Amino acid sequence: KAGVTQTPRYLIKTRGQQVTLSCSPISGHRSVSWYQQTPGQGLQFLFEYFSETQRNKGNFPGRFSGRQFSNSRSEMNVSTLELGDSALYLCASSQPGTGGRNFEAFFGQGTRLTVV
Amino acid sequence: EDQVTQSPEALRLQEGESSSLNCSYTVSGLRGLFWYRQDPGKGPEFLFTLYSAGEEKEKERLKATLTKKESFLHITAPKPEDSATYLCAVQAQGTYKYIFGTGTRLKVLA
Repeated sequence: KAGVTQTPRYLIKTRGQQVTLSCSPISGHRSVSWYQQTPGQGLQFLFEYFSETQRNKGNFPGRFSGRQFSNSRSEMNVSTLELGDSALYLCASSQPGTGGRNFEAFFGQGTRLTVV
Repeated sequence: EDQVTQSPEALRLQEGESSSLNCSYTVSGLRGLFWYRQDPGKGPEFLFTLYSAGEEKEKERLKATLTKKESFLHITAPKPEDSATYLCAVQAQGTYKYIFGTGTRLKVLA
């Protein structure tokens, strides 16, 4: 069974540009979430989607947005890039659990974004 | 505010020297506590899920335990290949986001 696939693996962008990152979840997983990982802050939650609906959003500015398609694939977009947006962006997918529990999230290898 | 604190930040062990990593959490209704392992330049790799106090899970040299305020990841007779950053995360009732600690960087020396 294929894992979570993120593309591209590496990106270099200039301040002020915008970028789109892609995530293909594990087959059958309908929940996709995004995280930003930096050395100083660790993993910070960006947003989570289920069946094309955003269910939770983290404390990031409106420049960060995302969407999910009917096949569960997801994209996130960052507009007007700033130097501080340089980070590893991780996507995770999971199946919904039952009885108030959630199944664990499986992560992709991430997209390393460098803003210069 | 929901939060996760991991200690120590870094740990160096000799091969075969057992130890424990700590994850303290405060959350308004725990849905689940998760342990991950992350190697440099890679995404986190799932290890365990714990749902309620008293629960324990084991996998090879690793054993995770859970109380109402903290979780421990016990590493028995570690090997150099166990070197990695170990991350703890919680998920609160009513939300779908994971709140991560900043991790424990483990180095096992041969």
